[in-house]
Amino acid sequence: GAGVSQTPSNKVTEKGKYVELRCDPISGHTALYWYRQSLGQGPEFLIYFQGTGAADDSGLPNDRFFAVRPEGSVSTLKIQRTERGDSAVYLCASSDQDRRSYNEQFFGPGTRLTVL
Amino acid sequence: GENVEQHPSTLSVQEGDSAVIKCTYSDSASNYFPWYKQELGKGPQLIIDIRSNVGEKKDQRIAVTLNKTAKHFSLHITETQPEDSAVYFCAATRRLGGAQKLVFGQGTRLTINP
Repeated sequence: GAGVSQTPSNKVTEKGKYVELRCDPISGHTALYWYRQSLGQGPEFLIYFQGTGAADDSGLPNDRFFAVRPEGSVSTLKIQRTERGDSAVYLCASSDQDRRSYNEQFFGPGTRLTVL
Repeated sequence: GENVEQHPSTLSVQEGDSAVIKCTYSDSASNYFPWYKQELGKGPQLIIDIRSNVGEKKDQRIAVTLNKTAKHFSLHITETQPEDSAVYFCAATRRLGGAQKLVFGQGTRLTINP
């Protein structure tokens, strides 16, 4: 079946602009995660959704970052007033939510964001 | 919070030899330790994982070991092949069900030389 998809694959923007990054999780997965991966580093957790609600947003770096998942499927990560330090690959992952188990997170290919 | 350290940052081995990557973690409550492989331009892909109630797990040429007392875990790849070349990440998390925020190591770039 189809995996996690993310659009766009690349986004170049200017400092101060607003961007939206989209994630389409695997159908039926109720859990959705956003991570950020800087060059040469491991992914860092940003936010976790269980269904429509953001159950844990402790990884968002500041209030310029916001994410939504209005229907419990597609999610959008929104970044306001972008800064050069926001340049990174933004990864989305989804998983089943069997509370009795450790649920594998399936990652999308990421969106490479470049802020000039 | 949890902190995961991974080493080496780069590793080069001859095809057919073994490769070992090591990670340490700080939170003794962490109980799930997955390993991911990331190829250029792709997202991380789970290759093997281990839970805190076992000390070793093997899947064909890949094995992981976990030492809870010392808080470290390792990935072992035997009979390496060119397609094993990639960046490998270890991770740790402490939740069963609910939010499983993965804390990743810094990554190891593995190169298999033919």
